[in-house]
Amino acid sequence: EAGVVQSPRYKIIEKKQPVAFWCNPISGHNTLYWYLQNLGQGPELLIRYENEEAVDDSQLPKDRFSAERLKGVDSTLKIQPAELGDSAVYLCASSPGLAKSPDTQYFGPGTRLTVL
Amino acid sequence: QKEVEQNSGPLSVPEGAIASLNCTYSDRVSQSFFWYRQYSGKSPELIMSIYSNGDKEDGRFTAQLNKASQYVSLLIRDSQPSDSATYLCAVGRDNYGQNFVFGPGTRLSVLP
Repeated sequence: EAGVVQSPRYKIIEKKQPVAFWCNPISGHNTLYWYLQNLGQGPELLIRYENEEAVDDSQLPKDRFSAERLKGVDSTLKIQPAELGDSAVYLCASSPGLAKSPDTQYFGPGTRLTVL
Repeated sequence: QKEVEQNSGPLSVPEGAIASLNCTYSDRVSQSFFWYRQYSGKSPELIMSIYSNGDKEDGRFTAQLNKASQYVSLLIRDSQPSDSATYLCAVGRDNYGQNFVFGPGTRLSVLP
């Protein structure tokens, strides 16, 4: 079974530039998560999707961050414009959904963003 | 007060010893508790989940939960160098494992 796929794995941009990250969850997984992980810290949830609906985006900085999950499968997370403090690893995770309890999250390899 | 707290370490133990990792949380109504392992430069992977007070054993790993003390721990018996990683505690607000907060992680180093 293929795992969660993320691209790109690494991205270096200059501040004020836009950037986008892509995630393909495990086939059949209804729930998709985007996390941000700073060095030496645990992942912090940015947004959670149930199918195509964003059910928890309370921690997403909506002035510069946006996300979408069209058709309830792939998802894209965008930052525009990027700031120096956005340098971090952006993790995508997926889980089967509430039909299966407990609902184990599986993480992708992450995208390491460096903003210069 | 942070929601989930862990000693950042590093915690160093000799090979074959028992490694004890601790986590405290602030939300008294937390329902689910998870331990994730994260190797350097890799993504987190789930190793244990626990929902009820007491101990839960899986191979060399034992998770212990005390809701009254708001404390959860992970014991690793017969520690191996391959266990060297950062261990993340996650505490959930529901029983499903969808909505939880991670601690900062404890870095474990198992010395050969």
